[in-house]
Amino acid sequence: DAGVIQSPRHEVTEMGQEVTLRCKPISGHNSLFWYRQTMMRGLELLIYFNNNVPIDDSGMPEDRFSAKMPNASFSTLKIQPSEPRDSAVYFCASRRLAGGPGELFFGEGSRLTVL
Amino acid sequence: AQKVTQAQTEISVVEKEDVTLDCVYETRDTTYYLFWYKQPPSGELVFLIRRNSFDEQNEISGRYSWNFQKSTSSFNFTITASQVVDSAVYFCALSEVLNSGNTPLVFGKGTRLSVIA
Repeated sequence: DAGVIQSPRHEVTEMGQEVTLRCKPISGHNSLFWYRQTMMRGLELLIYFNNNVPIDDSGMPEDRFSAKMPNASFSTLKIQPSEPRDSAVYFCASRRLAGGPGELFFGEGSRLTVL
Repeated sequence: AQKVTQAQTEISVVEKEDVTLDCVYETRDTTYYLFWYKQPPSGELVFLIRRNSFDEQNEISGRYSWNFQKSTSSFNFTITASQVVDSAVYFCALSEVLNSGNTPLVFGKGTRLSVIA
């Protein structure tokens, strides 16, 4: 079975450019999460969706960040305009909503470098 | 508010030594789940274990074991006879079960384990 698929795996861009990260959750999973990992702050939750609806976006650092989930099999995280401090690894994860909180299945991450 | 503390930032051990990674959590909820994940140098996050707050039995899986103690709000992870392949960053995480739904996982800052041959 395919796991969580993220693209691109690596992105190098210049300050001010728009960045779009993509995620395809595991089929049948109806809860999707975006996390950011940096050395300073560790793994921090940016936003999560249940049944394609954003539930909590309080972790989104600024208005420059936005996320969408137009359908059950696709989500995007957009940064516009990007800044060097946005450099990090961005992880997408998914799980089923039913029952107690199950394990999160993580994608391989998108490593973003903003010059 | 939920919080996970992994006080050990880095640990270095010699191969075949036993090592324990500490995890202390804070929650006001009575129903919650605890997790451990491994992040090897390749960068992916690998699920190791999930434990609910009503199950305080210790768990053993091969060389891995977990000690859950509600009295001290701790969920410690022990690797017996460590191997070089155990070198990774290990994360402890917490998720609460609320009437409004399950909360996302809140992660500790991680403990970097280096096993030296």
